[in-house]
Amino acid sequence: DAGVIQSPRHEVTEMGQEVTLRCKPISGHDYLFWYRQTMMRGLELLIYFNNNVPIDDSGMPEDRFSAKMPNASFSTLKIQPSEPRDSAVYFCASSFAGGTDFFGPGTRLLVL
Amino acid sequence: GENVEQHPSTLSVQEGDSAVIKCTYSDSASNYFPWYKQELGKGPQLIIDIRSNVGEKKDQRIAVTLNKTAKHFSLHITETQPEDSAVYFCAASKGPGGSYIPTFGRGTSLIVHP
Repeated sequence: DAGVIQSPRHEVTEMGQEVTLRCKPISGHDYLFWYRQTMMRGLELLIYFNNNVPIDDSGMPEDRFSAKMPNASFSTLKIQPSEPRDSAVYFCASSFAGGTDFFGPGTRLLVL
Repeated sequence: GENVEQHPSTLSVQEGDSAVIKCTYSDSASNYFPWYKQELGKGPQLIIDIRSNVGEKKDQRIAVTLNKTAKHFSLHITETQPEDSAVYFCAASKGPGGSYIPTFGRGTSLIVHP
């Protein structure tokens, strides 16, 4: 398996623009997680899905953030409108039965 | 909820020395403790884990110990090499009822000088 796949790897955008991050989990995994990593706050769990259903989105910072998982092999994290404070590395991770998380390479987002 | 504290935030050692990273957790129901290594520009990768029914686990140069009574666990790396330089994260989670959703420590930046 190729592991968790994320795209794009880097994104530079201007404040106010919509940003969409994409994730393909490992085949057969039933949990999918979105994390945000910054120097100030470390690794934060934003939202996670089980069998494509959002279970806990309490980590989503505000309504500008939304996540979907239309099927077992694809998820998106959308920020609209983006703000400079959203600049971070966003990781997608997947696991089987909520066990060990396998992380993707991350998307480095810079909002100018 | 769970709270995980990790120390030190930075650790600098000479090649060949040992390195120890310590974590404490607050939720006595936590029963799964993974450790992740994050290299520059990459996502965290699992290097070793331990469950609450085990006190120690070893895999070549790395080992993890768990003290459930004191609610702390540690990562030990022996004979450090420059390629061990990375950020290490500890985590605590509970399952299966808690679905093993991890709470991460803030990370330790390990620098191994050749």
